[in-house]
Amino acid sequence: DAGITQSPRHKVTETGTPVTLRCHQTENHRYMYWYRQDPGHGLRLIHYSYGVKDTDKGEVSDGYSVSRSKTEDFLLTLESATSSQTSVYFCAISESPSTGDGFQPQHFGDGTRLSIL
Amino acid sequence: QQQVKQSPQSLIVQKGGISIINCAYENTAFDYFPWYQQFPGKGPALLIAIRPDVSEKKEGRFTISFNKSAKQFSLHIMDSQPGDSATYFCAASKASGTYKYIFGTGTRLKVLA
Repeated sequence: DAGITQSPRHKVTETGTPVTLRCHQTENHRYMYWYRQDPGHGLRLIHYSYGVKDTDKGEVSDGYSVSRSKTEDFLLTLESATSSQTSVYFCAISESPSTGDGFQPQHFGDGTRLSIL
Repeated sequence: QQQVKQSPQSLIVQKGGISIINCAYENTAFDYFPWYQQFPGKGPALLIAIRPDVSEKKEGRFTISFNKSAKQFSLHIMDSQPGDSATYFCAASKASGTYKYIFGTGTRLKVLA
């Protein structure tokens, strides 16, 4: 299994509070991703990173921010949590494709279940 | 043009039967199509993946069939087992840039013993 640790694994918080989720990898992979998983929607990309301090938005980025100050850590922050952000959050990592291959798969952590009351 | 449509939403198969899950995409720039398997409480795990230069890829009991002209691909699970009961996601991506995935909405498979 890819060395990906998400913390916390479960969190319950109240509307309006800030929340930070952490993804830590031991693989030294360049790319890191944050997804949310909701019934009927599959996995949707929130933000991703293609290197230290290099991040960009995904398809559902409103209300979320990210930071990556070290290769191994990718933080997802909900500045002011809302009930619509209740979800399961997954972090994924992938390596840069090797020459002539063109692709490397994403590997996922086991998720953080976040409930916002 | 970025969507990946997955069907069926749920599937019940008898042990030993064939499970078939279908996906369709719109963006012809996609050129990498992985399938992920997810058990409750765990993250998705890569099962098998295909590039458009082949029409079929087989790994054990799992086969991807790919139809480039129809922009469709499917997962076949032969000799389905109760341990295959899980949620399956297809995805599509471009082998360039930031390698972002677009996922289907998932299929919950139950294999009856």
